[in-house]
Amino acid sequence: KQEVTQIPAALSVPEGENLVLNCSFTDSAIYNLQWFRQDPGKGLTSLLLIQSSQREQTSGRLNASLDKSSGRSTLYIAASQPGDSATYLCAVRPFSGGGADGLTFGKGTHLIIQP
Amino acid sequence: GAGVSQSPSNKVTEKGKDVELRCDPISGHTALYWYRQSLGQGLEFLIYFQGNSAPDKSGLPSDRFSAERTGGSVSTLTIQRTQQEDSAVYLCASSLVEGYEQYFGPGTRLTVT
Repeated sequence: KQEVTQIPAALSVPEGENLVLNCSFTDSAIYNLQWFRQDPGKGLTSLLLIQSSQREQTSGRLNASLDKSSGRSTLYIAASQPGDSATYLCAVRPFSGGGADGLTFGKGTHLIIQP
Repeated sequence: GAGVSQSPSNKVTEKGKDVELRCDPISGHTALYWYRQSLGQGLEFLIYFQGNSAPDKSGLPSDRFSAERTGGSVSTLTIQRTQQEDSAVYLCASSLVEGYEQYFGPGTRLTVT
């Protein structure tokens, strides 16, 4: 059974710092990996999706990398801002072959950017 | 364009009652997913539809849970004889086709008293 772990569980840093959030998964047979943010009381906002054949994806100040063979992904946030404060979730989609297609999520990293 | 919508946004029900949760996916999205987010459990996948069919229902927590999708669009998740452990936020997501990026709705917060 696929398990996704995110480290750290919580992180508080001053505004302007660059930071890295970590995600690891136990089964490397994945179709893709997706990073989300969740604001309190809200749904999930998709940030980046990396296909299993890709090594990284970038969007603005965000960069996500994927090392499928070692079961790791990182989300790099450059020049952090208070508006980046949220819970960041990593999720993997199995290489289902026509079966269940749901994402397996980590428990998230709760990020606070101090003004 | 419009995103995934869910209704109601909040639902409080008494133990033993049935509830229906509704999801309206992004127009044109053929794949639809239901998840549950509860304190301490994180997000867990419940069921997935490709068109109107659900290939695998094994993620549903018990036989009190059922889901259907009609017309390749709106989906309802029904929980019969609700229990307190059913209290959670139920999230719906859709994607253009299976395997593509999933877009989530705001969720329905269910509280069973």
